Amino acid sequence: ILNVEQSPQSLHVQEGDSTNFTCSFPSSNFYALHWYRWETAKSPEALFVMTLNGDEKKKGRISATLNTKEGYSYLYIKGSQPEDSATYLCASRSGNTPLVFGKGTRLSVIA
Amino acid sequence: DAGVIQSPRHEVTEMGQEVTLRCKPISGHDYLFWYRQTMMRGLELLIYFNNNVPIDDSGMPEDRFSAKMPNASFSTLKIQPSEPRDSAVYFCASSFGSFDNYGYTFGSGTRLTVV
Repeated sequence: ILNVEQSPQSLHVQEGDSTNFTCSFPSSNFYALHWYRWETAKSPEALFVMTLNGDEKKKGRISATLNTKEGYSYLYIKGSQPEDSATYLCASRSGNTPLVFGKGTRLSVIA
Repeated sequence: DAGVIQSPRHEVTEMGQEVTLRCKPISGHDYLFWYRQTMMRGLELLIYFNNNVPIDDSGMPEDRFSAKMPNASFSTLKIQPSEPRDSAVYFCASSFGSFDNYGYTFGSGTRLTVV
């Protein structure tokens, strides 16, 4: 069974700080890596989908990198704002299987 | 498009009762997934469909759970009889193809409480 691990479990940062989280996944038979942003009382929304080793994606102040050979991805947030407070989910696909999600990193940005 | 639509948003039921959760995927999406969210286990896949056909139901906890997709625009997840340990948020998600271009689109979820 594919096991996706995220760290840290939760994180508190001050407004303006930059931060990053880690997602690790099995590298064998890798197919795709997704990042989702999940705000309280809403549904998860896709941020990035990455498939190639060395992929880097960026959306505003948020970016992500992918290393499929060693099985990890980083999500970076530059200059955190209170509206960035959410749970960030990572999910991986192996072969033709559906996404398996990690338990997420809960980010709180303090103004 | 209104996105993935789930109903009801909240359901409170007594142990032993039948519960039916409903999902309308995005038009044109050919994959539909049912996930369950709990504090202990996170988001876990229950079952998924491709072109209305169930592909993998190995995540369904036990025979009390069943899911159907009679057509491309509707799916149900049924629990009969319900138990307190079934209390969780149930999400439906849909996607187009297996190319992972856009990720999954999730519904707003159904928060189920079994008392």
